[in-house]
Amino acid sequence: DVVLTQTPVSLSVTLGDQASISCRSSQSLVYSDGNTYLKWYLQKPGQSPQLLIYEVSNRFSGVPDRFIGSGSGTDFTLKISRVEPEDLGVYYCFQATHDPLTFGSGTKLEIK
Amino acid sequence: EVQLQQSGPELRRPGSSVKLSCKASGYSITDYLMHWVKHRPEHGLEWIGWIDPEDGETKYAQKFQSKATLTADTSSNTAYMQLSSLTSEDTATYFCARFEPDYWGQGVMVTVSS
Repeated sequence: DVVLTQTPVSLSVTLGDQASISCRSSQSLVYSDGNTYLKWYLQKPGQSPQLLIYEVSNRFSGVPDRFIGSGSGTDFTLKISRVEPEDLGVYYCFQATHDPLTFGSGTKLEIK
Repeated sequence: EVQLQQSGPELRRPGSSVKLSCKASGYSITDYLMHWVKHRPEHGLEWIGWIDPEDGETKYAQKFQSKATLTADTSSNTAYMQLSSLTSEDTATYFCARFEPDYWGQGVMVTVSS
């Protein structure tokens, strides 16, 4: 199975600062069609996960441009510029390139 | 508007089973795979598997191969997940979800306790 290793495990950020989360895959996430099926989710307390980024760098509908996904192959990053109070929660990377689909272990973002 | 409405919280004894439902509205479930995801705060999110409601094909993560059974009823536009031989490890919130684009159910809490 593909293992997605997220770092850091937790992150405490001052409002207005930038946060960066890494997701490293145990194997390449490039699918046979040339696309890379790596997503980023935010799960706020008591809520369903909400999609932020799909296919590495595409923002989902309604997601602010403060959220930027990047990377390729096995190394991916989610950057959140100008962190706001509503950004707190647990961030997960998720790959749908290989069966079984797998989530990263999560990064908890806290506001200082 | 696409919505996935899940059934209410469940309390079960160890060794029993539970069947969770996920009723879709705003689209036909035969048009998309339906995924199921497990969430425990201390363990994060785990992908359980998917079902293609059009033909009943299923795919499971190996860990859930003997635990979960995914089915769908196209007449009621509803997907189901049955969890068997429940243990405390199955205490969690379970989500149904459609991908591409994403829609998620609100989640259902299953508690296994004697």
